[in-house]
Amino acid sequence: ETGVTQTPRHLVMGMTNKKSLKCEQHLGHNAMYWYKQSAKKPLELMFVYNFKEQTENNSVPSRFSPECPNSSHLFLHLHTLQPEDSALYLCASSQDRITSQSSYNEQFFGPGTRLTVL
Amino acid sequence: AQSVAQPEDQVNVAEGNPLTVKCTYSVSGNPYLFWYVQYPNRGLQFLLKYITGDNLVKGSYGFEAEFNKSQTSFHLKKPSALVSDSALYFCAVRDGWGNTDKLIFGTGTRLQVFP
Repeated sequence: ETGVTQTPRHLVMGMTNKKSLKCEQHLGHNAMYWYKQSAKKPLELMFVYNFKEQTENNSVPSRFSPECPNSSHLFLHLHTLQPEDSALYLCASSQDRITSQSSYNEQFFGPGTRLTVL
Repeated sequence: AQSVAQPEDQVNVAEGNPLTVKCTYSVSGNPYLFWYVQYPNRGLQFLLKYITGDNLVKGSYGFEAEFNKSQTSFHLKKPSALVSDSALYFCAVRDGWGNTDKLIFGTGTRLQVFP
C-alpha cells in the first residue's frame, strides 16, 4: 500500500447522477492532487491543494468540483458528467509544493477510481 | 511549455534481455525528469529522478535512466528484464516550482516481458 487510499475503486453513473470520489492519505502530507488518466493520453493534472488551499485548477469543467476539508482528505464531486469523462481518476499527495528549484517532493499515488459514465 | 514524449506505445522484451523505454523532453532551462511505473490496478509508483549531478541515475527495482542533454533524452533501462517488470511506464518533467510546481507526464509505454 502506498498510504493513499481511494474509494470507490469502481463507479458507474448516469449523466444525471451526482456522485463523489474520496481520497485519503495517511502520510502526513500537505499537498494533494487530482489527475485524470485516459487511454493513450498523457496523465492530466486537474486540481492541486496545498495546505487545504486550491493552488491549481487546470481549466477543468465545472461539472467537476473538488473539496479539501483538511490535509488528509480530498474529494471530487461529480455532477452531470459526459461519457467522455469516463477515465481512471488518480489522487496523489506530497509533502508540500516544493520550496526551491533544486528540491523535489515525491508524489505518492492512490490506486485510482475507474469511472464509467453511461 | 515543458513536455515529454514517449514514442513507443508498447515495448516487448524477453525475460533476461536488456530493456530500454524511451523518453525525450523539451524544456526551457534545466530539466527535472522522472520515471513512474503503474502496475495493473495500482497507482503510479516513483522509480527515479534526475535533477542535477551524474547523468546515470539509479532507481528502484534495478532500473536506471541515462540523461543525455545533447539528444534531449532520458531513456529508462534495465540490464536484465523480469516478467514482473511488465507494467505501464510514464516519463515526466517538472514544470515550474513553488506553488506553480507540477509534473507533465508522457502518454506512457506498456512494457511486456515474455518468459
